[in-house]
Amino acid sequence: QKEVEQDPGPLSVPEGAIVSLNCTYSNSAFQYFMWYRQYSRKGPELLMYTYSSGNKEDGRFTAQVDKSSKYISLFIRDSQPSDSATYLCAMSEWEGGSEKLVFGKGTKLTVNP
Amino acid sequence: NAGVTQTPKFQVLKTGQSMTLQCAQDMNHNSMYWYRQDPGMGLRLIYYSASEGTTDKGEVPNGYNVSRLNKREFSLRLESAAPSQTSVYFCASSELAGVTGELFFGEGSRLTVL
Repeated sequence: QKEVEQDPGPLSVPEGAIVSLNCTYSNSAFQYFMWYRQYSRKGPELLMYTYSSGNKEDGRFTAQVDKSSKYISLFIRDSQPSDSATYLCAMSEWEGGSEKLVFGKGTKLTVNP
Repeated sequence: NAGVTQTPKFQVLKTGQSMTLQCAQDMNHNSMYWYRQDPGMGLRLIYYSASEGTTDKGEVPNGYNVSRLNKREFSLRLESAAPSQTSVYFCASSELAGVTGELFFGEGSRLTVL
C-alpha cells in the first residue's frame, strides 16, 4: 500500500460548484497535512496546512483532517475557472532527526465557465 | 521578487551526456531540495540540503549528484544521462527543514534524454 493515495481524476465541474478533493494515508506518524496547488507548467505552491485533526478555513477553501480515519480533504466553495489546477496533498513526519515530506500524485481539476 | 530561480527551463540531452541544473533562492532560506515529477508518480525527492554545507539523499538519488554551493545556490548534476531521467525537475527551498513542510518551488526544468 502506498503511503499516500490520491485519486488523479481528472475532475471537471461547472463554475460555482463545491469541489471535494481527498487523500488517504497509511502512516499514523504523519503530523502536518498540506495542500499544494500547481498550475500547468508551474511549480507547486502551498495553499493550506493543518496540524493534527480538525478543520481550517481560508476564504473559499477548507482543509479537513481526520486522523482516526487517516483521511484528509480539501473543499472549494463557489469554484472559479481560476481554481483549475492540479491539487497535491502532502504529509510530513519527523524521521531520523529530519522532516520527511510525502506527496500524493495530485488531482487535476477543471472548473468550466 | 524572484523567489526560487531554476536554469535551464528546457534541455534535451543524448544518452550519456552530462549536465547541471542550477537553482538559486533569494529568500535567505536554510534548506533546499531537488524533486522530480513524473506522470503517475507524483513528486519524488532526489536530494536535499538541510543547511549550508550539508546534503542528504532522498527517495530517488541514483544517477544524480548535488552541490550546495552557498546558502543561495543548490545544483543538481547528471553525470551520464539516461532516458529514465526524462522528467520535470523542481528545486524548492524552505526556511527551516522540518517546519510544517512549507516549501517554495521554482517553475521547473524540463529535461528530455534521448
